[in-house]
Amino acid sequence: KNEVEQSPQNLTAQEGEFITINCSYSVGISALHWLQQHPGGGIVSLFMLSSGKKKHGRLIATINIQEKHSSLHITASHPRDSAVYICAVTTSVLWTPDDKIIFGKGTRLHILP
Amino acid sequence: EAGVAQSPRYKIIEKRQSVAFWCNPISGHATLYWYQQILGQGPKLLIQFQNNGVVDDSQLPKDRFSAERLKGVDSTLKIQPAKLEDSAVYLCASSLGKEEWNTEAFFGQGTRLTVV
Repeated sequence: KNEVEQSPQNLTAQEGEFITINCSYSVGISALHWLQQHPGGGIVSLFMLSSGKKKHGRLIATINIQEKHSSLHITASHPRDSAVYICAVTTSVLWTPDDKIIFGKGTRLHILP
Repeated sequence: EAGVAQSPRYKIIEKRQSVAFWCNPISGHATLYWYQQILGQGPKLLIQFQNNGVVDDSQLPKDRFSAERLKGVDSTLKIQPAKLEDSAVYLCASSLGKEEWNTEAFFGQGTRLTVV
């Protein structure tokens, strides 16, 4: 079982729909990252969370440390939101050789006009 | 399946010294990325190659950082001279790089650089 699991793996929705992508992890973390990759492009960091909730434009990210779960929401989705969304966790606050960055496999989102 | 290989795993150097990192992507992957992740921050794209050509190097500090992918396969990232603020994990990633949908980016384990 992967230490970081995302769901769904693929998601197709109509423009304007409210989108939720989930991430569950099984390790102790210092932070959780949501990343975005457009087709043919590099990866962009959207959020870094260690607790609570963050909002940027139409994007909202939440994390529940007790449940080891995070969600990324997109309100009023648009075709330009079509991308792969990747959840990643970092496992230690301290800068030690045991630090790890663990990536989920990504969720492929396709928004239809 | 062999993954993205990076070396070294760890490196400690003094400021003003030079350092080089190496990355071997998954066989057949045309696109290669170098990312810098400073502790407590999200990863930042430094440079993106498509085969041996540069697609995006807008965030690469070109006065001290350089990268090459001469034969379109493995790549090196160099810092010369290093500064204290270059301490970070340097991640290499690769993907198929076709025009159609990229299903997954594959990441290496990273090289942790400490500049003292």
